[in-house]
Amino acid sequence: EAQVTQNPRYLITVTGKKLTVTCSQNMNHEYMSWYRQDPGLGLRQIYYSMNVEVTDKGDVPEGYKVSRKEKRNFPLILESPSPNQTSLYFCASSRHSDGYNEQFFGPGTRLTVL
Amino acid sequence: LAKTTQPISMDSYEGQEVNITCSHNNIATNDYITWYQQFPSQGPRFIIQGYKTKVTNEVASLFIPADRKSSTLSLPRVSLSDTAVYYCLVAPPSAGNMLTFGGGTRLMVKP
Repeated sequence: EAQVTQNPRYLITVTGKKLTVTCSQNMNHEYMSWYRQDPGLGLRQIYYSMNVEVTDKGDVPEGYKVSRKEKRNFPLILESPSPNQTSLYFCASSRHSDGYNEQFFGPGTRLTVL
Repeated sequence: LAKTTQPISMDSYEGQEVNITCSHNNIATNDYITWYQQFPSQGPRFIIQGYKTKVTNEVASLFIPADRKSSTLSLPRVSLSDTAVYYCLVAPPSAGNMLTFGGGTRLMVKP
């Protein structure tokens, strides 16, 4: 089944404790991205990647890191999480890096930083 | 990138047709218009996409006027299960572009 998976689905952590949220897709998609969703603010893009070893900042990249060492994986790293990073995070992928291609979203990761 | 504006929320009743309009005044010549649907605690999913005039699929219709400065998602005969947030996305088919979703429209379908 074609899908985007994220782990963990739920995470409660404390300020300053490094964490990684994994994202994997099995559709051989070139383009992957991370979004955060907060009440009243819709979806905001954090980082995106057009292909292996190619990443770029989205709307709200501060406090986040990403890497794209393999085509299927695009982990989101929070080196020193803070409470303002409490949010619902979505990973997405699409065949190519353009607005024409349908984006496939993962199920989401709900992160709480205390 | 073209900025989009949608109503924050809309209410409807089962069986009615719902039209959600998205304004994108500075749309570029090669931008496509795409709509996504998001249920609570789920990721958005693609509904429909178009460039101009009208597009129809098994779920919805998309109307785009000649000037392309707005677009209207039409959901025929909505049911309670159509209660969701609907996002309008405008982006070009060229590599390297950051994709920006607007705030979305929260549709509530009542019995």
